[in-house]
Amino acid sequence: GAVVSQHPSRVICKSGTSVKIECRSLDFQATTMFWYRQFPKQSLMLMATSNEGSKATYEQGVEKDKFLINHASLTLSTLTVTSAHPEDSSFYICSARGDRDHEQYFGPGTRLTVT
Amino acid sequence: GQNIDQPTEMTATEGAIVQINCTYQTSGFNGLFWYQQHAGEAPTFLSYNVLDGLEEKGRFSSFLSRSKGYSYLLLKELQMKDSASYLCAVRDGSYQLIWGAGTKLIIKP
Repeated sequence: GAVVSQHPSRVICKSGTSVKIECRSLDFQATTMFWYRQFPKQSLMLMATSNEGSKATYEQGVEKDKFLINHASLTLSTLTVTSAHPEDSSFYICSARGDRDHEQYFGPGTRLTVT
Repeated sequence: GQNIDQPTEMTATEGAIVQINCTYQTSGFNGLFWYQQHAGEAPTFLSYNVLDGLEEKGRFSSFLSRSKGYSYLLLKELQMKDSASYLCAVRDGSYQLIWGAGTKLIIKP
């Protein structure tokens, strides 16, 4: 199956700093990438959908100026959490989908802890 | 509104069979997915149904009835490693993936 990687897997940062998370599709071209957030014991919450070369579509309640998404190539999308606060601590998961595929392939996730 | 319902938690015995149900109401339908998620890990794909009927894949099977807005995931010969959350997700008419809250499955020896 298709492989999606995320980096870093874990990150601890201080309040007020910014953190960048990378999502890469390793063996296919991802025309669409999705960013999710998952709090403990809760289901996945879609944050935004990004198509290569265009602006991301954010879900209601997700601040686009705080969560910057860039999908500059068919294999890479980045999520930058700007001015992070402790309440941003969560498990961030990306997924990717090719243009001929019905399945979303998930990355392994990034656990962000803001102190 | 769009809604997906699945039980919050289920318990089963090692070696037994368990069925996890999922009902949905969505604006349009373009397929139903089941994912497995172990604690602290990302979801992994289990199955995809877009037509009515049963899809079998080893110990796991998934069933869909579009007219009833209903699916189930059947796990046979349960193993301890099957303890995980099982997420039902439906792709709606605009190809958005709508997620259920997940069913936490606890396997007891």
